[in-house]
Amino acid sequence: AQSVTQLDSQVPVFEEAPVELRCNYSSSVSVYLFWYVQYPNQGLQLLLKYLSGSTLVKGINGFEAEFNKSQTSFHLRKPSVHISDTAEYFCAAMTTSGSRLTFGEGTQLTVNP
Amino acid sequence: KAGVTQTPRYLIKTRGQQVTLSCSPISGHRSVSWYQQTPGQGLQFLFEYFSETQRNKGNFPGRFSGRQFSNSRSEMNVSTLELGDSALYLCASSLAPGVETQYFGPGTRLLVL
Repeated sequence: AQSVTQLDSQVPVFEEAPVELRCNYSSSVSVYLFWYVQYPNQGLQLLLKYLSGSTLVKGINGFEAEFNKSQTSFHLRKPSVHISDTAEYFCAAMTTSGSRLTFGEGTQLTVNP
Repeated sequence: KAGVTQTPRYLIKTRGQQVTLSCSPISGHRSVSWYQQTPGQGLQFLFEYFSETQRNKGNFPGRFSGRQFSNSRSEMNVSTLELGDSALYLCASSLAPGVETQYFGPGTRLLVL
């Protein structure tokens, strides 16, 4: 079985500041990794995913994440955030032989002016 | 192309009743997964359907059931509702099970009184 841990439940930052949302995973088998964003009263939108290859993955809205196998981490970063980035962010894992997503607890990112 | 649609968007039921939620996947997508989102338990996998067959089931009681039709539309049913069933129920569709990106609908918010 795999598990996903998001190390921060809330991250407040100022507009135009950089941000990092941390995610660690645990699995006895190989996994694919994902970051989703959820705006209020909406479903989940995929930001980016790591399947294989380059460990630096670029996604939508200027977000990127780095897969670190030795640290079992998949942290999400953005060099300069906007007010509109305020949302809840979920890290998720899926085994390479499966299809169900296992989600972390979520990180509420709040961007203040 | 239209996204994943879920109906109804909001629902209020009382304990002991049953409820049916509907999900229409993106055109051409044949895999549908259901997730339950609550403040206490986060996002949890309910089940997955592909070609009208249930491929995976999460750790939920038998009161939770689902089905998929030949046009890939899916329904989930919860019988004998309990207060703890109050949640946002999210449906996700993908072309096929596995590594294909799962696209989420806006969810159905169920309140059990």
